[in-house]
Amino acid sequence: DTAVSQTPKYLVTQMGNDKSIKCEQNLGHDTMYWYKQDSKKFLKIMFSYNNKELIINETVPNRFSPKSPDKAHLNLHINSLELGDSAVYFCASSQASGSLTGELFFGEGSRLTVL
Amino acid sequence: GENVEQHPSTLSVQEGDSAVIKCTYSDSASNYFPWYKQELGKRPQLIIDIRSNVGEKKDQRIAVTLNKTAKHFSLHITETQPEDSAVYFCAARATGANNLFFGTGTRLTVIP
Repeated sequence: DTAVSQTPKYLVTQMGNDKSIKCEQNLGHDTMYWYKQDSKKFLKIMFSYNNKELIINETVPNRFSPKSPDKAHLNLHINSLELGDSAVYFCASSQASGSLTGELFFGEGSRLTVL
Repeated sequence: GENVEQHPSTLSVQEGDSAVIKCTYSDSASNYFPWYKQELGKRPQLIIDIRSNVGEKKDQRIAVTLNKTAKHFSLHITETQPEDSAVYFCAARATGANNLFFGTGTRLTVIP
């Protein structure tokens, strides 16, 4: 049973196209995230949603739009793709307990290549 | 916001030797410090974490130490094995915050 699953795993597309990556978690967690990992392996947070509400939006171009239809899903839509968007995008989830936020569970990653 | 620095960026050790990876953080409100291991082509996975109310935590061959005054924490792996080869990330988060700030990663290679 996959805890955090994201699709597609690989995505190759042309510059200027629009694409989406979907993420689902079956852990019952309240909080979901999108992280971007570039070619140097840096892991940088992009967005965080808690119970379908956006709580973190780091400096990310507005071509990137997250959507959370319910607390188990967090999708990422990217408009007008650019070469620099090529990266591995990781979805993750965690459970908050009072003032403590627990372990991050990552999906397998979606490798986006923009040609 | 928080700034987490991690050193070294690459580390090669002989099998059986120890490996140490160090991180510093800038935000004194940070109180949760996890370490993640990412094998080639795989997702990052939590291997150990420490909260600010303790100075050291150990789990078999892995240990973490935390110095809150100096704002640094370290990962120690003893008796390294080839399967320890991976990229290791430290991270830091403040109480009540959702954002986990990651270090830049250390690629550990254990030479058989």
